This record gives sequence, C-alpha cells and structure tokens, in this order.
Amino acid sequence: DAMVIQNPRYQVTQFGKPVTLSCSQTLNHNVMYWYQQKSSQAPKLLFHYYDKDFNNEADTPDNFQSRRPNTSFCFLDIRSPGLGDAAMYLCATSSGTVSNQPQHFGDGTRLSIL
Amino acid sequence: AQSVTQPDIHITVSEGASLELRCNYSYGATPYLFWYVQSPGQGLQLLLKYFSGDTLVQGIKGFEAEFKRSQSSFNLRKPSVHWSDAAEYFCAVGVFFGNEKLTFGTGTRLTIIP
Repeated sequence: DAMVIQNPRYQVTQFGKPVTLSCSQTLNHNVMYWYQQKSSQAPKLLFHYYDKDFNNEADTPDNFQSRRPNTSFCFLDIRSPGLGDAAMYLCATSSGTVSNQPQHFGDGTRLSIL
Repeated sequence: AQSVTQPDIHITVSEGASLELRCNYSYGATPYLFWYVQSPGQGLQLLLKYFSGDTLVQGIKGFEAEFKRSQSSFNLRKPSVHWSDAAEYFCAVGVFFGNEKLTFGTGTRLTIIP
C-alpha cells in the first residue's frame, strides 16, 4: 500500500544534541509537510516543500531545519533540541498545494528530550 | 486569517449512542473543510472533506458531516458509535487559493463507555 512512513517511531535525545527525523512516501506526492504536535494540542505546521521549493512558517524557530533530497524523502533536523521541543512530529504529503488536496499523514515520531 | 473552533474538549458517549462533534470556522468565503481522526500514538487519518456542492458529506467509518454556511459550522455525526471510535478528532479549514496550509482546531477527545 502506498503510504507515508516515519522513522523512528520513538526518538530520545539529549538536551542540545542534534537529532534528525525522517519521512518517506510512496505516493509520489509533490508536497511534503512537517508538523509539530504537543500533547493535547492541534498539529502546528513548521514548514513544507513543494517539490524542492522550501516554505518556512514565519514562527518556526531557526533551530528547526529540513532537507528534501528527492521526491520520496524528507528530513527534519533539530540542531540543538531544548526541553520545549519534546513533541510528536508528523509528516504529511499531498498532491498539490491548493488546500483541497487532502493531506496524508504518517504515524509520527515521538521525540523525548533528556 | 481563517480559524477553527472546536468547543468541546472532551466528549463521552455510550457505545451504540449517536454522536455529534461541533466545529465552527471563521473565514470570509467558503473554505475547504476537513475532519481528521487521530488514534493514540498515530498520525491523522482523513474522515471526510467538503469542497462544494451537497452540504451533507459522507465519509469513512460511517461518519458524515453537514456544512451550514449560515452558522459557519461543519459538525461531524455518527448515528451509532463503536468502541473503536475512541480517538481525537480534528476539524481543519483550508482557504480557497493562495495559502497552502490547513488550520486545525484544537481537537475533541472522544471516550466511549460500554
């Protein structure tokens, strides 16, 4: 089945130690999104790629970076994680940027900071 | 800017009873509207979407939603809930053009009791 896969499902890192989360998709979608979701809150968009064009949300901290080496893969890099970055990180894809294209989500990576 | 309000943080329903989850949106024109469901520790799954046309929309898992322009609402309903429906439900709105992101409500947690 075509899907969005996030690895790992659970990630533990130390305060200030860089961490990378990965997302892959077999849907061949143009757009890939990264969301941050804290406990009992709505997902918050961090940034998205339309093909190789990167779009950062205005309030996304500089600590968060992303790479998309090809259509199938997208990475979220947190350069110096703080305790406030502990959250579920969700990757999603869609076939277009017009908002009527549904987004397809992975199961997320839960990040813990020690 | 668009916004979404889900007035009910937590709802408890008996198995077999009917369900209605409320969603109100704020936007100057007709938005695209979505309902997503999130089971514990998992990503979001699209239940249904409204773009235009028939204001009663059928989705997966026996859910439906009705768009009411006069009330700026898009409430989710199910005639008879099952224990497996226990999850977090998010309403989301996307604008017609120009803004590539969805705005999510804060979610409603649904608990099913025997």
